[in-house]
Amino acid sequence: GAVVSQHPSRVICKSGTSVKIECRSLDFQATTMFWYRQFPKQSLMLMATSNEGSKATYEQGVEKDKFLINHASLTLSTLTVTSAHPEDSSFYICSARTGANSPLHFGNGTRLTVT
Amino acid sequence: GQNIDQPTEMTATEGAIVQINCTYQTSGFNGLFWYQQHAGEAPTFLSYNVLDGLEEKGRFSSFLSRSKGYSYLLLKELQMKDSASYLCAVRDDYKLSFGAGTTVTVRA
Repeated sequence: GAVVSQHPSRVICKSGTSVKIECRSLDFQATTMFWYRQFPKQSLMLMATSNEGSKATYEQGVEKDKFLINHASLTLSTLTVTSAHPEDSSFYICSARTGANSPLHFGNGTRLTVT
Repeated sequence: GQNIDQPTEMTATEGAIVQINCTYQTSGFNGLFWYQQHAGEAPTFLSYNVLDGLEEKGRFSSFLSRSKGYSYLLLKELQMKDSASYLCAVRDDYKLSFGAGTTVTVRA
C-alpha cells in the first residue's frame, strides 16, 4: 500500500519552456502532498506543500509564480516549472502520507534537465 | 528552523555493523525518520521514532533520545546492496526536514 506515482521520470526541455510534473497517490487519498527538490549530492529541500482544494504553501525562497502547484483532487498534484532555466535542472520528488503521523512515501522522482 | 547533522560518508565491510549518527536541533518535534536513497532514485522509508528508545526492524534498528536531540541508525550484517545514502529526517509541527545524508559504502 501507500504507492505514490510520479510522471515523467525524466524530461529535457529548452530554456524558456514550461514543464509539468504529475504526482498521484495510487491507493490512498492525500489531502496534502509535498514537493521536494534535490541537487546532486545534496539533501532534499522542501519546496512547497500542496493542499487539495486550496493554495499551496511555499517555503521561503521558492517563487510561487515560477513553480505552479495545482492539487485539484485527492489523488493528484501537479508541479509546473514555468519559463525553465538551466539552474532549474534538478531532481524533483513528490511525496504524500496516509495520515498525519505516518511516514512520507515518495514518488520515483523526475530528473529535469534544462538546456 | 531545523539543523540536522549526520556524517557525510562511512565505509564498512560486508557482514559488519555500521552505526550512523544524527543530531538535530528543531523548533518542534513530532518524530524522526530514516530513509534509504540509492543514487538517482527516490528515498524509501526505513524507520520511525517518536518516543525514546530502540526500534528494531530486521537488520535495521533506530534509536532516539529526545532530550539529547540524538538518533542513530544501526545496520547489521551488511550486504553489498546496502550501499546507499541514508537520510535522517525530523518532523516539526508541520513539515519534514532532511539532513544531508550519509553515504555508506559496503566493501567485500
